[in-house]
Amino acid sequence: DTGVSQDPRHKITKRGQNVTFRCDPISEHNRLYWYRQTLGQGPEFLTYFQNEAQLEKSRLLSDRFSAERPKGSFSTLEIQRTEQGDSAMYLCASSFGQGSGTGELFFGEGSRLTVL
Amino acid sequence: AQKVTQAQTEISVVEKEDVTLDCVYETRDTTYYLFWYKQPPSGELVFLIRRNSFDEQNEISGRYSWNFQKSTSSFNFTITASQVVDSAVYFCALSEVQAGTALIFGKGTTLSVSS
Repeated sequence: DTGVSQDPRHKITKRGQNVTFRCDPISEHNRLYWYRQTLGQGPEFLTYFQNEAQLEKSRLLSDRFSAERPKGSFSTLEIQRTEQGDSAMYLCASSFGQGSGTGELFFGEGSRLTVL
Repeated sequence: AQKVTQAQTEISVVEKEDVTLDCVYETRDTTYYLFWYKQPPSGELVFLIRRNSFDEQNEISGRYSWNFQKSTSSFNFTITASQVVDSAVYFCALSEVQAGTALIFGKGTTLSVSS
């Protein structure tokens, strides 16, 4: 399978713990996105990388959230000191793009976080 | 501010019926993109279409068609002769060029097609 893969698919943690999610995009894609989706809502943008540079961050991304994309390949999203409100599906997407405008995004199956 | 409204929360139809999913957007940008995504029960969002703000031609792809009207800020999606496999949550999304690459999604419409 050469699609976007995310790991782990499910994570249950206790409030206050740190969690990290990994995303492996489609290999030739230079753009990588993180979104968060809660039940009954559409995905909400968190952050965007072009190659290894983090170019956009949503105001939703508090100081407890950090994302990296070393070497412009896979990406990690870490949440420190998790809170119950962080419970959601974390979606990764990738695309190939040059210039302005957003093209077709290819989404992974998501990482579901439950904070107890 | 950019916003996408999908007023229909849930729609239920019987197989072979036609169904239209509504999408209304708000933007101040003159250059923007509109999208539709499908999220089946498995959870993975699947891209259906992208339309830029300068192209108001309607699009047809098999049983799917899209009607883009800038005058009413709408980008509606019609499924003709619906099938059970069309059951999913459908999201409309907007991306403003000046605002960056983020997609702003609506809350989605859950479509249930029964046999």
